[in-house]
Amino acid sequence: QVQLVESGGGLVKPGGSLRLSCAASGFTFSDYYMSWIRQAPGKGLEWVSYISSTSGYTKDADSVKGRFILSRDNAKNSLYLQMSSLRDEDTAVYYCARAAYGSGWYRIDYWGQGTLVTVSS
Amino acid sequence: QLVLTQSPSASASLGASVKLTCTLSSGHSTYGIAWHQQLPEKGPRYLMKVNSDGSHTKGDGIPDRFSGSSSGAERYLIISSLQSEDEGDYYCQTWGTGLHWVFGGGTTLTVL
Repeated sequence: QVQLVESGGGLVKPGGSLRLSCAASGFTFSDYYMSWIRQAPGKGLEWVSYISSTSGYTKDADSVKGRFILSRDNAKNSLYLQMSSLRDEDTAVYYCARAAYGSGWYRIDYWGQGTLVTVSS
Repeated sequence: QLVLTQSPSASASLGASVKLTCTLSSGHSTYGIAWHQQLPEKGPRYLMKVNSDGSHTKGDGIPDRFSGSSSGAERYLIISSLQSEDEGDYYCQTWGTGLHWVFGGGTTLTVL
């Protein structure tokens, strides 16, 4: 079955950096777009970034543009999010998600359990 | 600008049915959406995709009690035979013309 397991979350000071990882299994990783979505405490879901199946294309939300870099290693079935210049408002649970294509658009069809990132001095 | 609007809360009795609504902003009434369920203290789970014609495709293992439909710019998630374990947050999601994802604000469902 499809499994997405995030790691790398933790406490970091404002202005600091952190790298999240997502280990994927149960499907052909290289066939799918992948994404990170976050959820601040008590808030709704916010899309952060996604990457195409071959790493040829990435897109970031305006809130993280220029600070977060999304990458993947298809040989290792892994997705990464390098976060830098972190701010208090980046505090959230970060979910790794798989995207499926159909009817002309991409939808999220599997989610990981999330990893908590806390930005605080 | 593409916006998905959901009522903040909904409630229904145990064993009854409930219809949750996701409304697409003006000019986007032909868009399909996806529904996701988030139970307390859990990660989200994909439920189904709902197309503008009302057809829907469910995710793996989603019970028959969950179904979807459409009317104009509204997309619905219908849960029948409500159970206590259905309590949680429900989000709709779609894909914007700027090639980005958009989420609704979520609806918190209470089973009475």
